[in-house]
Amino acid sequence: ETGVTQTPRHLVMGMTNKKSLKCEQHLGHNAMYWYKQSAKKPLELMFVYNFKEQTENNSVPSRFSPECPNSSHLFLHLHTLQPEDSALYLCASSERGAGNEQFFGPGTRLTVL
Amino acid sequence: AQSVTQLDSQVPVFEEAPVELRCNYSSSVSVYLFWYVQYPNQGLQLLLKYLSGSTLVKGINGFEAEFNKSQTSFHLRKPSVHISDTAEYFCAVRTSNTGNQFYFGTGTSLTVIP
Repeated sequence: ETGVTQTPRHLVMGMTNKKSLKCEQHLGHNAMYWYKQSAKKPLELMFVYNFKEQTENNSVPSRFSPECPNSSHLFLHLHTLQPEDSALYLCASSERGAGNEQFFGPGTRLTVL
Repeated sequence: AQSVTQLDSQVPVFEEAPVELRCNYSSSVSVYLFWYVQYPNQGLQLLLKYLSGSTLVKGINGFEAEFNKSQTSFHLRKPSVHISDTAEYFCAVRTSNTGNQFYFGTGTSLTVIP
């Protein structure tokens, strides 16, 4: 596969469940990102990783826990979520350097019941 | 902090008509500007970007954008739209002093009417 892939594409979970979102990039990039996209709201940057090290955590609740085992893989572990966490979760990757664009995966549509 | 404003949340336009999607940003330092498109149930795809040089940037699918430093704008244009251009469009800014962080606008929903 090429580009940025995300699994699963759709996820429905209860508030007491634990699940994980997976992102993989095949572009050789060294920075990876998690975004939350809710209807009628700007894209919300959640986490940034550079060379597997977390460099940004934009006041994200602890029920979201990221993991970056290597520069190609990024996970978002979910537990005890709330209905308002229902959204499209997008993963992206890029090369370091301000002139480099981000490449996005197709997203995981999460519904919390 | 940087901010990106997309003034129009929805833009309806007839097929084959021209369109302009507006984007303004706030930054006092050098900026790098991007336009992305998002089709339903997909991630964001880069349309074009401005890094330096010529202020008129051409992208994919016949889109172009013009960087205007004095007006801090980066409006997206297409002279003749197609039905397939119906999508959400996002303007984004990255600056030389914000590391890897991008700042996105709220998006403009373009609907092309047959």
